[in-house]
Amino acid sequence: AQSVTQLGSHVSVSEGALVLLRCNYSSSVPPYLFWYVQYPNQGLQLLLKYTTGATLVKGINGFEAEFKKSETSFHLTKPSAHMSDAAEYFCAVSDPLIYNQGGKLIFGQGTELSVKP
Amino acid sequence: GAGVSQSPSNKVTEKGKDVELRCDPISGHTALYWYRQSLGQGLEFLIYFQGNSAPDKSGLPSDRFSAERTGGSVSTLTIQRTQQEDSAVYLCASSRTRPRLAGGGETQYFGPGTRLLVL
Repeated sequence: AQSVTQLGSHVSVSEGALVLLRCNYSSSVPPYLFWYVQYPNQGLQLLLKYTTGATLVKGINGFEAEFKKSETSFHLTKPSAHMSDAAEYFCAVSDPLIYNQGGKLIFGQGTELSVKP
Repeated sequence: GAGVSQSPSNKVTEKGKDVELRCDPISGHTALYWYRQSLGQGLEFLIYFQGNSAPDKSGLPSDRFSAERTGGSVSTLTIQRTQQEDSAVYLCASSRTRPRLAGGGETQYFGPGTRLLVL
């Protein structure tokens, strides 16, 4: 069965500092990979995803992530944090080999990002 | 265009009562998903609808939970005889195209959720 691990339930950075949110997955085959962001009392918004092709994926709001098959990782980064980045971030996977079960997402436990002025 | 909408935004009910949660997907989206977000369990998949195919109910936690999708659009999630452990935020998502036969990869667009509190 697939699983997703996000290291660190809470991450705090200073404004302007590098943001690094870690995500590792467990799967027998490389899955599709997603990062979603959730602002307070809102639904989830897609930041970026990897399905095929280039392993470095750029998303909205200056975020990017790199799929590393050898490390089974899909860490999320942003060079310079902004106060508006404070939110909860979820890494998720879907299995490309599960026929007729659509793209149901398996989520990590989430990482709450705080940005200090 | 309009996003995924859910109603009600908040629901408070008493233990043992039935509740219905509604989801209006983005127009033209053929796939619809329900997820549950709770403090203890995080984000969990509940059920998935794709067109006229039989739904994938593999995530429903008990037979008190059911869902239907009428006319390939609006969906209703029903919880019968609610329990306190059902308290959570119920999220609905839709995606634009049928996920490829080999599995998904399409972006799921989420609604704002329904916050359910069972007293």
